[in-house]
Amino acid sequence: NAGVTQTPKFRVLKTGQSMTLLCAQDMNHEYMYWYRQDPGMGLRLIHYSVGEGTTAKGEVPDGYNVSRLKKQNFLLGLESAAPSQTSVYFCASSYSNRNTEAFFGQGTRLTVV
Amino acid sequence: GENVEQHPSTLSVQEGDSAVIKCTYSDSASNYFPWYKQELGKGPQLIIDIRSNVGEKKDQRIAVTLNKTAKHFSLHITETQPEDSAVYFCAASSPNGQNFVFGPGTRLSVLP
Repeated sequence: NAGVTQTPKFRVLKTGQSMTLLCAQDMNHEYMYWYRQDPGMGLRLIHYSVGEGTTAKGEVPDGYNVSRLKKQNFLLGLESAAPSQTSVYFCASSYSNRNTEAFFGQGTRLTVV
Repeated sequence: GENVEQHPSTLSVQEGDSAVIKCTYSDSASNYFPWYKQELGKGPQLIIDIRSNVGEKKDQRIAVTLNKTAKHFSLHITETQPEDSAVYFCAASSPNGQNFVFGPGTRLSVLP
């Protein structure tokens, strides 16, 4: 099993450009999450989903949109990238809402210039 | 909402010594506290977790303790080895139980 796979692994964007980060999991997990990781700030939740067709805002949702059209995929979109969105993005998934282990992808390093 | 603090931010120990990382949380409704280890260039990986109905849990060289009254929990690593060098994150479940709030992380260096 691949677990949680993120695409792409690296990307450089110009300010104002748009892009979509793809997260795919093959563990039949209900819950999926997008976090951003910045130095000294840990992992901050951007958006999450508790099942196919659902999305919810996390701690830092501004400037991002998400979609969960299929259970195995969770997409994170940046409509108009800004330098403040330079970060490492992690997708994660977990089985249920009973506070079970979250499995993380390898991360996407995004630089906005 | 939940807030998680973590100390220290960096920790250096000699190989074979013990390492302790401490976290505090703010919301008494949190009931699940995982610890993740992140190696360079990789995503975080769960190493141990504890639920609010348990005070201590141990897995070989790693142990976690929870004090619900004081709202703090700690990670203890004994007989540290160079491969323990990594960034460690504590986390607490959100009040609705649907996601996690992470601490800012501790960079552990085990010196040979």
